[in-house]
Amino acid sequence: GAGVSQSPRYKVAKRGQDVALRCDPISGHVSLFWYQQALGQGPEFLTYFQNEAQLDKSGLPSDRFFAERPEGSVSTLKIQRTQQEDSAVYLCASSLFRHNEQFFGPGTRLTVL
Amino acid sequence: SQQGEEDPQALSIQEGENATMNCSYKTSINNLQWYRQNSGRGLVHLILIRSNEREKHSGRLRVTLDTSKKSSSLLITASRAADTASYFCATGLTQGGSEKLVFGKGTKLTVNP
Repeated sequence: GAGVSQSPRYKVAKRGQDVALRCDPISGHVSLFWYQQALGQGPEFLTYFQNEAQLDKSGLPSDRFFAERPEGSVSTLKIQRTQQEDSAVYLCASSLFRHNEQFFGPGTRLTVL
Repeated sequence: SQQGEEDPQALSIQEGENATMNCSYKTSINNLQWYRQNSGRGLVHLILIRSNEREKHSGRLRVTLDTSKKSSSLLITASRAADTASYFCATGLTQGGSEKLVFGKGTKLTVNP
């Protein structure tokens, strides 16, 4: 079937605005991950869901970041009161089972002015 | 924090030559995965090698894993201009109830026609 999709692909926000980034994982994939990738760096883990349960949110940089996956499928990453340092590409990935390949979406490039 | 360290940071070769990239990591892992990222695009999964495996092949790719040295290598044989991309190793970790990938900073490969 289709791969992981993310929307929007690009988002420009003024500092202080709230943003919501959407991820549609591959159908049937149990695990869902969010990563943040700064320019010239490798992705850094933000949070992990197994079905609807958020099992690890240790990578979220502050309490302005919030993620949910209420029905165990689509996930939303919300960033409140955006700051310039939040500018990055936000990647979503899903995998069928634990310890399997993770398949990544194209990412959302967030620019905070 | 990033666990994996790729070496070299950048590599430039001629079409037809082989390219070898190395990755070192620090803690025990479940698996190690290699990804490719073309400029401005998403991550593409290349190969996964589990901690009890020593070598794996996929087409022109060969991956080795030495858990005693905490290192892995990715060999691309008979390189093509289309192989130009950044290559990341990512270690699969289980921490508490979580599973996540910890990425290195990547090797930027340029294959000159």
